Amino acid sequence: AQKITQTQPGMFVQEKEAVTLDCTYDTSDQSYGLFWYKQPSSGEMIFLIYQGSYDEQNATEGRYSLNFQKARKSANLVISASQLGDSAMYFCAMRVISNFGNEKLTFGTGTRLTIIP
Amino acid sequence: KAGVTQTPRYLIKTRGQQVTLSCSPISGHRSVSWYQQTPGQGLQFLFEYFSETQRNKGNFPGRFSGRQFSNSRSEMNVSTLELGDSALYLCASSPPPSGALAKNIQYFGAGTRLSVL
Repeated sequence: AQKITQTQPGMFVQEKEAVTLDCTYDTSDQSYGLFWYKQPSSGEMIFLIYQGSYDEQNATEGRYSLNFQKARKSANLVISASQLGDSAMYFCAMRVISNFGNEKLTFGTGTRLTIIP
Repeated sequence: KAGVTQTPRYLIKTRGQQVTLSCSPISGHRSVSWYQQTPGQGLQFLFEYFSETQRNKGNFPGRFSGRQFSNSRSEMNVSTLELGDSALYLCASSPPPSGALAKNIQYFGAGTRLSVL
């Protein structure tokens, strides 16, 4: 079974500062994907960034980067130069991709990020 | 390209009733997954459909069911509603996989917020 742990229920960060959201995972599978989603108060889950277990480089997407440490089973999200619009819930998720056709995502409990002007 | 569309956005039902939620995936996407989000249990996988067939199922009672049509639109049904079924129900679609280790990002709709009184 897969498990995602997010240990920070809430974080407050000053605007324009960088922020790191923690995520650790547990799986016995060798092939898996790690995702980060953002959920504003409107409810929609917005895809941010993806890291595959075999990817050698850390993923980056604009202001988002993923600090992937496979041996420690961690996949922390780094947001550079935070903006007021970054205030939202952030979820880390995992999908085992060794089973072709498996679309099930396992989510963590989320971190509520609040950006302070 | 239009995103994932879920209807209705809000629903109020009473215990014992049944409800049907609808999801229209992104054009070209054939996989549709459903998730339940509650404050107590977080985000939990309900089931996933691909080409009108249920491919994966989460750990939910048989009162929760779904189906997919030939145009990939999906519906989920909850019969004999209970107070604990109050939740945000999220639908996600993903494109056809480009390989066995494809990252297959799931794109979510805005959800249907169901309140059971």
